[in-house]
Amino acid sequence: QVQLQQSGAELVRPGTSVKVSCKASGYAFTNYLIEWVKQRPGQGLEWIGVINPGSGGTNYNEKFKGKATLTADKSSSTAYMQLSSLTSDDSAVYFCAREGWDGGYFDVWGAGTTVTVSS
Amino acid sequence: DIQMTQTTSSLSASLGDRVTISCSASQGISNYLNWYQQKPDGTVKLLIYYTSSLHSGVPSRFSGSGSGTDYSLTISNLEPEDIATYYCQQYSKLPWTFGGGTKLEIK
Repeated sequence: QVQLQQSGAELVRPGTSVKVSCKASGYAFTNYLIEWVKQRPGQGLEWIGVINPGSGGTNYNEKFKGKATLTADKSSSTAYMQLSSLTSDDSAVYFCAREGWDGGYFDVWGAGTTVTVSS
Repeated sequence: DIQMTQTTSSLSASLGDRVTISCSASQGISNYLNWYQQKPDGTVKLLIYYTSSLHSGVPSRFSGSGSGTDYSLTISNLEPEDIATYYCQQYSKLPWTFGGGTKLEIK
């Protein structure tokens, strides 16, 4: 079945970077966009950006430009999000999700990856 | 950015009740509105897309309606597995934005 499998929890130091992965299975990876969403503890959902795995094209929420970098590897059907210059504000759960075929809605979600920034 | 407001942050209802969750946009979004369910274990699922289209596999007790700036999700005949937080999301204009969520609890 269609699945997005995310990498495990990360504990990282302030000022460093982290790369979260999202491996797709059960569908043609390059035919659907992959979205990324942030959720701080006890808070709502915030859209980070989107990548087209087929072309590599990206679109970011202005708020996350310079913070998040989205990439995709077609050979392994895996999308990645790198977060740089980490601070405590980046401590959150990060979800990847597939955008539906006709756009705008997220029809399959990963389980989320918890990133904790602490010294 | 379009701001999405769910004025009710938490809601308590009894099993079998009909529950309505509201969502308001800061400008018209032409029915480009989705609803998601987040369970207490963190799992997120799509319920409704484009205001009223039921996603595959979602029980028919879930329905959506609305237009312009005001939208709602209705759960008829509340069941124990409906305990969750519900989020609306607009896709009329980038950046996509979500409401703050409505946490549904059982009385």
